Amino acid sequence: DAMVIQNPRYQVTQFGKPVTLSCSQTLNHNVMYWYQQKSSQAPKLLFHYYDKDFNNEADTPDNFQSRRPNTSFCFLDIRSPGLGDAAMYLCATSREGSSWSSYNEQFFGPGTRLTVL
Amino acid sequence: AQRVTQPEKLLSVFKGAPVELKCNYSYSGSPELFWYVQYSRQRLQLLLRHISRESIKGFTADLNKGETSFHLKKPFAQEEDSAMYYCALAFTGANNLFFGTGTRLTVIP
Repeated sequence: DAMVIQNPRYQVTQFGKPVTLSCSQTLNHNVMYWYQQKSSQAPKLLFHYYDKDFNNEADTPDNFQSRRPNTSFCFLDIRSPGLGDAAMYLCATSREGSSWSSYNEQFFGPGTRLTVL
Repeated sequence: AQRVTQPEKLLSVFKGAPVELKCNYSYSGSPELFWYVQYSRQRLQLLLRHISRESIKGFTADLNKGETSFHLKKPFAQEEDSAMYYCALAFTGANNLFFGTGTRLTVIP
């Protein structure tokens, strides 16, 4: 089945120790997103890739970076995790969307729960 | 700025009872509104979107621009409807979704 895969499902890291979360998709979608969801809060978009074009949200901390080496894979790098970065990180994909067309459904991965010790 | 509000964090109803999950939004333009659902141990998935005007799993939602609301309704709740429901907003020119904080629906047998 075509899907969005996130690894690992649970990640524990130490305060200040860099960590990378990965996402892959078999849907061949152009757009990939990373959301952060803290406990009892709404998922919040960190950034997204439209093909290779990186789009950062204005309030995403510099501590968060992303890489998309090819269509299928996208990585979230947290350079120096703080206790406040503990959250569920959701990856999502969608077909090509544009300002001239109706919004395209986003398909979500199962998420990676990050714990910072 | 765009904002989505779901006033109820938790909602419990008995099986067979009507259910309404509230969603209000603020956005100055013409948004697209969605309901996403997350069942236990499953991923977040689209339930319905206002543009399609369809009923999914017995749920409907009407966009009321005057009240800036997009409430989700079902006349007879089923146990399998128990899940986390998120209202979300998108607008032309942006690929991203703006989510509400979600409502956890529990249907009591």
